[in-house]
Amino acid sequence: GENVEQHPSTLSVQEGDSAVIKCTYSDSASNYFPWYKQELGKRPQLIIDIRSNVGEKKDQRIAVTLNKTAKHFSLHITETQPEDSAVYFCAASRGGGNNRLAFGKGNQVVVIP
Amino acid sequence: ETGVTQTPRHLVMGMTNKKSLKCEQHLGHNAMYWYKQSAKKPLELMFVYSLEERVENNSVPSRFSPECPNSSHLFLHLHTLQPEDSALYLCASSQGTVNEKLFFGSGTQLSVL
Repeated sequence: GENVEQHPSTLSVQEGDSAVIKCTYSDSASNYFPWYKQELGKRPQLIIDIRSNVGEKKDQRIAVTLNKTAKHFSLHITETQPEDSAVYFCAASRGGGNNRLAFGKGNQVVVIP
Repeated sequence: ETGVTQTPRHLVMGMTNKKSLKCEQHLGHNAMYWYKQSAKKPLELMFVYSLEERVENNSVPSRFSPECPNSSHLFLHLHTLQPEDSALYLCASSQGTVNEKLFFGSGTQLSVL
């Protein structure tokens, strides 16, 4: 089955700087890649997702890039703010009903004011 | 509020108890999920219901028993649990393609003594 790994496990950045989190996946047939954000004590929330037919997607200060050849995708957060402090989970699947999402273990991002 | 409501928020039970977790979604979605979240581990999919029919049972022990009486409600019945079952249990729902764009509830923090 699909195996998803995230690096680094913890990332500290100064407020205003950029943060980049990378995920690698093992199944070359995977074509759907979401990112979820979970603040302390709160529920995971989908923040952005991408399909394999595009290489990059942006939504305000966040973006996701996909490298299908290398089987990795990254979350980019620009102009980080304290409210960006959270655990970020990536996931991958082949898409479609019977293909479950395989999640990574999560990255702890700490934005230092 | 999120649109996906879980009760109770916290639950402490002994290994011989029987309890139930409840999830209700107000989003008009057609699929519902139970996930288990343990520290330092990826989110683990337990069960998926689509249009009230179970479409996935991810090799979960029989001491966990799901019930989906309609598309808005999902239960997880618990009996004779083990201490290693202590975790955050998250309910989620989605519309359209199963296993994509999940909306999570806030979870039930379960402690088994």
